Formats: sequence, C-alpha cells, structure tokens
Amino acid sequence: QSVLTQPPSVSGAPGQRVTISCTGNSSNIGAGYDVQWYQQLPGAAPKFVIYGNNYRPSGVPDRFSGSKSGTSASLAITGLQAEDEADYYCQSYDNSLSVVFGGGTKLTVL
Amino acid sequence: QVPLQESGPGLVKPSQTLSLTCTVSGGSIGSGSYYWGWIRQPAGKTLEWIGRVDATGTSNYNPLFTSRATISKGPSDNQFSLKLSSVTAADTAVYYCARVIGGPLFDSWGQGTLVTVSS
Repeated sequence: QSVLTQPPSVSGAPGQRVTISCTGNSSNIGAGYDVQWYQQLPGAAPKFVIYGNNYRPSGVPDRFSGSKSGTSASLAITGLQAEDEADYYCQSYDNSLSVVFGGGTKLTVL
Repeated sequence: QVPLQESGPGLVKPSQTLSLTCTVSGGSIGSGSYYWGWIRQPAGKTLEWIGRVDATGTSNYNPLFTSRATISKGPSDNQFSLKLSSVTAADTAVYYCARVIGGPLFDSWGQGTLVTVSS
C-alpha cells in the first residue's frame, strides 16, 4: 500500500475536466513538502507535468494544473484530449527520510 | 533535462547481486548541484524510490533498501551505479535512473531496463 493515496482510475470524455487526488498525511504533504505529478504513457518512462505543487514545466500544456491544501494535492486536466490517456503518479517527500509516490491513477479518455 | 541510459544484466539469479549502471550524456555528474537516483517499478505497480547519490558521492536510501542497496558514482565521471544484494523474485521490475533536483523532483529519466530475478 502506497504512502500517498490516489484513486485507481478516472475517466472523462474529450473536452471535459478531470481531477486526480493525492492524499497524504502530516509526515509528508502535510509537513509542507512539495508535490510533483508525473505522466507515464504505456511502455514509457514517467515525465513530470507539475512540480512544486503548482508549477508547469515548459512544453506541458496549460490544460494541466496542480494544487495543494493541507495533507492533499490535486492534478486537474481541462479540455481532455485522447493523448492525455496515461497513468499519473503524485510524489512527495516524507519525514521518514524517503521519497514517496502515490499508487497511480489510470486516466481513460472515453 | 539530460539524456540518461541504464545498462546491465536483464536476468539475475535469486540470492545474487543486481548491478546496473546509468550513463549521463553531456558531462560529469560531479558538477552541478544535482542528485542522481534510482527508482523501480514492478509490472503493473507503482514507482518505488531506491536511493540517490550526490556530486560528492554521498548516498541516501529509502529505509526499505538501506541494508541491501549501494548507489555510488562511477565507474566513469558521467556514470553512477546501483547494486542490490540478496535479490528475490520480488525485486523483478523495470529499473529507472533519474536526475534529481530540488523538492525532490525527478526531472530527467532513463528509458528503464527490465531486470528479472529467476533461476
């Protein structure tokens, strides 16, 4: 069981908005550590789409946004496109001196 | 971001030591304020951080791997390596090397290499 909890799957139709939650506790997200989000296409390595809770790297569409509040974080994708279909992972740091990942969420574009 | 490439045996016998090397293109890993890390992913499962090494050669590990993992710089200036001892079938996974900055953020990843533990 992962330290950070994500829903196993979410889905949406093209053009819709979806959100993926990431729930931690007072030892990781709640302790003030940043949250990153990674997109993993089938058969590929993960690629970061959000860093520092809500910053988007160059090249990532502004349809992707991140937020953090208390012991949770969220990734939102608006204007859903077929190319967004992938697995998404949140990641933070924990007071146990370890990097921690969420269990992953499979996004299906209907 | 920089290109990284993992290399090493794809098959390791149980109880033996898994050894992988990551080659970083574009310069020495001893320069800059980066860390260099290893992450693994069993088939169909989530990512698991193993540990990291910094430019001075100082290593930090996931507590789950402290007794079995060794991450070090070398053998060349643009390489770092992972050794995982006493492997079992549970260590079968795709192993990724990555550059680590800030938060921590894994901003560059290798393509990954599948390591199977089997006799």
